[in-house]
Amino acid sequence: QKEVEQNSGPLSVPEGAIASLNCTYSDRGSQSFFWYRQYSGKSPELIMSIYSNGDKEDGRFTAQLNKASQYVSLLIRDSQPSDSATYLCAVNKETSGSRLTFGEGTQLTVNP
Amino acid sequence: NAGVMQNPRHLVRRRGQEARLRCSPMKGHSHVYWYRQLPEEGLKFMVYLQKENIIDESGMPKERFSAEFPKEGPSILRIQQVVRGDSAAYFCASSPQGAEAFFGQGTRLTVV
Repeated sequence: QKEVEQNSGPLSVPEGAIASLNCTYSDRGSQSFFWYRQYSGKSPELIMSIYSNGDKEDGRFTAQLNKASQYVSLLIRDSQPSDSATYLCAVNKETSGSRLTFGEGTQLTVNP
Repeated sequence: NAGVMQNPRHLVRRRGQEARLRCSPMKGHSHVYWYRQLPEEGLKFMVYLQKENIIDESGMPKERFSAEFPKEGPSILRIQQVVRGDSAAYFCASSPQGAEAFFGQGTRLTVV
């Protein structure tokens, strides 16, 4: 079983729709959770972090965490073509100072 | 405030040569991480360092690879006697005391 699993995609949504990206993790002791966006040929860019159960909103992005189900998701509202990228879910076993474990990523395409 | 700086951005080495990749963390960040991304694959953790200390090297291949983060100067990832399979993007990330990690632009290593 992979430590962090994501839907491999690709995921395709029309412009203006909600894109939903999902991630599950195997280590129940994981403490912090992140979503990174990576454009083709570029480096990962941190877009959301979440540490406690519930929802966290930042602009068009909402991260959701359910530790009991070991599940974290990212919702992108009013999707734009510029959101087309690979989204990486990352999990940290501690709240600080340890390595991130990444999922394989979900490729999102937003069609105009 | 400059971000994480990596150099060189592109590096070409012949089989058997040495590759040295450099990373200067963001100002105020004392934690440095190195990740490798093979084509069409996810990010794989290699090593986590703080100044003059290797904290976690569980992702480093046991031979040919080494890393350091000296008291002065950038962190260095060194690959000796490179082989074609070492061709990848190598990313450095840094973080302050917290878990959020910010990535540099990466070094694309090509072994010919």
